[in-house]
Amino acid sequence: QKEVEQNSGPLSVPEGAIASLNCTYSDRGSQSFFWYRQYSGKSPELIMFIYSNGDKEDGRFTAQLNKASQYVSLLIRDSQPSDSATYLCAVKPPGAGSYQLTFGKGTKLSVIP
Amino acid sequence: GAGVSQTPSNKVTEKGKYVELRCDPISGHTALYWYRQSLGQGPEFLIYFQGTGAADDSGLPNDRFFAVRPEGSVSTLKIQRTERGDSAVYLCASSSNPGIRNEAFFGQGTRLTVV
Repeated sequence: QKEVEQNSGPLSVPEGAIASLNCTYSDRGSQSFFWYRQYSGKSPELIMFIYSNGDKEDGRFTAQLNKASQYVSLLIRDSQPSDSATYLCAVKPPGAGSYQLTFGKGTKLSVIP
Repeated sequence: GAGVSQTPSNKVTEKGKYVELRCDPISGHTALYWYRQSLGQGPEFLIYFQGTGAADDSGLPNDRFFAVRPEGSVSTLKIQRTERGDSAVYLCASSSNPGIRNEAFFGQGTRLTVV
């Protein structure tokens, strides 16, 4: 059973703070990792993807991957009220025929002005 | 169009009826995916198309669900004899290639309500 686990939250942070979102996955051979943002009633929107161990930065967002610990995280610096949304972690399992993404349940982030 | 387009945006149907949900992917994207998202859950994979063929339909819950993509572009998800448990948001996504590093872009979804 391939699983992706996230703390459902809600995670509340004050405006301007760093928000840290965490995700663990069960399939050790997983190769690609994605973070999607989903506003209430809207579809998921891709914000970050990472394939290699270490950090990947894009603007205020940093994705961190540790394959040995089967852990991927998303840091949001200088959090804004507009960042308030549910953040979905998604993992692509190994195998040439595996193109499906396995999603976690998402972490609800609330940025307090 | 610029993004993945899904129609209708909302569909209310009676238990036992047949429904069709349509997805128009981003132009040029060969890979197309259907997912289902229930309230408070992440999207759940249903089926993946590469071109016209269903390369992976392992996520379809039972034989009441079927999807086609006859010309390798628009796809239709078909649900027969709908049940209340089928109520969810059905999401379509597309990507430019099916490799491990593909990024899938989602449409706005069709909210299906079975009453």
